[in-house]
Amino acid sequence: KNQVEQSPQSLIILEGKNCTLQCNYTVSPFSNLRWYKQDTGRGPVSLTIMTFSENTKSNGRYTATLDADTKQSSLHITASQLSDSASYICVVTRMDSSYKLIFGSGTRLLVRP
Amino acid sequence: EADIYQTPRYLVIGTGKKITLECSQTMGHDKMYWYQQDPGMELHLIHYSYGVNSTEKGDLSSESTVSRIRTEHFPLTLESARPSHTSQYLCASSARFPGQENGYTFGSGTRLTVV
Repeated sequence: KNQVEQSPQSLIILEGKNCTLQCNYTVSPFSNLRWYKQDTGRGPVSLTIMTFSENTKSNGRYTATLDADTKQSSLHITASQLSDSASYICVVTRMDSSYKLIFGSGTRLLVRP
Repeated sequence: EADIYQTPRYLVIGTGKKITLECSQTMGHDKMYWYQQDPGMELHLIHYSYGVNSTEKGDLSSESTVSRIRTEHFPLTLESARPSHTSQYLCASSARFPGQENGYTFGSGTRLTVV
């Protein structure tokens, strides 16, 4: 079964601290993996996209890693800010004629002052 | 600037009313999608389209209907709104091969409340 599992479900950290969110997937065949940030009541915004051959990609204070062998990805947030409070969604695209996106349930991050 | 637009952002409507949620994109994307998302929950695909005059139902059963008469426009209609339809509705579009960077883009969503 094609699945995307994220952990933790929710996380609270203090402003300025770093954190790492995890994503494990069983989607096959694999096309790419995306991390999205979704503010409450808004649509998801893409942070990074990685293909099979890429194992790390950065976007400002966000760094995503991908281990295609173990089918694991992580999103590391450095020097967190209050505006980082949001849900972070891991999405894997299945490589078939439909290029179907499989969504994780997200990690809800709260950054406190 | 190319983007994807949803209107209205918020809608409060009475039971039994007919509503249409609008979605338009200026990126020339072939594929468009509608997702339903309850607060704090994951996104569920309810409709998608791979081009003009093409519409398909998604993974989650929905009483809504969609149409795709123009490439850039993908409206969603509820003939008779009910409180169970209260949710956030997100529209998305993608390039033919969504593995491209920025190849899968979401609108800001419509938060629907049926009273």
